Amino acid sequence: GAVVSQHPSWVICKSGTSVKIECRSLDFQATTMFWYRQFPKQSLMLMATSNEGSKATYEQGVEKDKFLINHASLTLSTLTVTSAHPEDSSFYICSARRQPGRWREFFGPGTRLTVL
Amino acid sequence: AQKVTQAQTEISVVEKEDVTLDCVYETRDTTYYLFWYKQPPSGELVFLIRRNSFDEQNEISGRYSWNFQKSTSSFNFTITASQVVDSAVYFCALSPIIQGAQKLVFGQGTRLTINP
Repeated sequence: GAVVSQHPSWVICKSGTSVKIECRSLDFQATTMFWYRQFPKQSLMLMATSNEGSKATYEQGVEKDKFLINHASLTLSTLTVTSAHPEDSSFYICSARRQPGRWREFFGPGTRLTVL
Repeated sequence: AQKVTQAQTEISVVEKEDVTLDCVYETRDTTYYLFWYKQPPSGELVFLIRRNSFDEQNEISGRYSWNFQKSTSSFNFTITASQVVDSAVYFCALSPIIQGAQKLVFGQGTRLTINP
């Protein structure tokens, strides 16, 4: 099966600091990765689509300068929450697709971010 | 615009009862995929099923069954003889089949609690 990992699984940081979350496809190459945010008891909201070697495409309302996404290789995408604030506390989930035309998204286990 | 509605926010039943989770969707696309995912307390999304818009056959997998009705834009999910391990949040999702635009749109989720 296709496995996607995220690191760290949880992180607590102080307000104003930056936090980097890694998303890795462990046994396949992912041309496309997605980042979602899920607030408590709410649905998953797509933040951005990340294609290897190109700039991420952000959804409307998502601040590009605050949520920096880098997809430098076919197995790694990173999300950096810059100058984090308590309202950024959320569950961040990544997913990966093998090829642009493939339908199946493989989801990571998620990263719980708490900003104090 | 695409939209997925899961009107049932929470459902609580006693073990062994049958339970149906409703999903209604809106899309202007003529071809699309419909999905169901399970999110247990651990947070990791578990893929359950994918349906193509041009395939209205109902599907059964063990205690799970899905009823897709294009005429009413519904894709309901039934668990027969529910078990405590079925307790989770269930998400219905939709994505177009057009390559390059395959973003998942999730419903709000239904929190299912199976009581012993």
